[in-house]
Amino acid sequence: GAVVSQHPSRVICKSGTSVKIECRSLDFQATTMFWYRQFPKQSLMLMATSNEGSKATYEQGVEKDKFLINHASLTLSTLTVTSAHPEDSSFYICSARVEGADTQYFGPGTRLTVL
Amino acid sequence: AQKITQTQPGMFVQEKEAVTLDCTYDTSDPSYGLFWYKQPSSGEMIFLIYQGSYDQQNATEGRYSLNFQKARKSANLVISASQLGDSAMYFCAMRGLNTGFQKLVFGTGTRLLVSP
Repeated sequence: GAVVSQHPSRVICKSGTSVKIECRSLDFQATTMFWYRQFPKQSLMLMATSNEGSKATYEQGVEKDKFLINHASLTLSTLTVTSAHPEDSSFYICSARVEGADTQYFGPGTRLTVL
Repeated sequence: AQKITQTQPGMFVQEKEAVTLDCTYDTSDPSYGLFWYKQPSSGEMIFLIYQGSYDQQNATEGRYSLNFQKARKSANLVISASQLGDSAMYFCAMRGLNTGFQKLVFGTGTRLLVSP
């Protein structure tokens, strides 16, 4: 149980294009999902917290208009990197939490490379 | 504010031996949860073990146990009988459990290498 999937696992795009990453909870309903970014050999940095049906809460320093988050259902959240640039290249990981539970379950991550 | 400190950037252990990965934390929350995650080279974060601040006993999950010393604010992960597949990055994390949901705060991680 508690499986979270991400799609795509790897994406390469040209500078200026937008990329959408999906995060799905496969066997549970996730009232809250989280998006993290991880640079090589560094820890995870929380970008935003999204609750189903409401606007995401972004961490300080994260551009809301650049990283669009939509949590349309209890099993799906999407992160869209708009007008991607090479500095947006990173490993993006989502996690999901069941209401009332303490543990977050993570997706396998998406490696984004912007050329 | 919460802070997690992992002072060991890298650890080496021989197969079948036990290893302890250190984690200390700082928080003003009276109630909190402590987590350990494993991140292999594939990148996924695998949940290993959880300890609640009010749990009377140290958490155990198979070969993983958490040495929780509340007074010292430490939550070390002990892996018994190390296996080659245990080679990975290990992250300690915590979250306050007070009103509302608080975000997970991660340490910088420890890279564990298990040798034959």
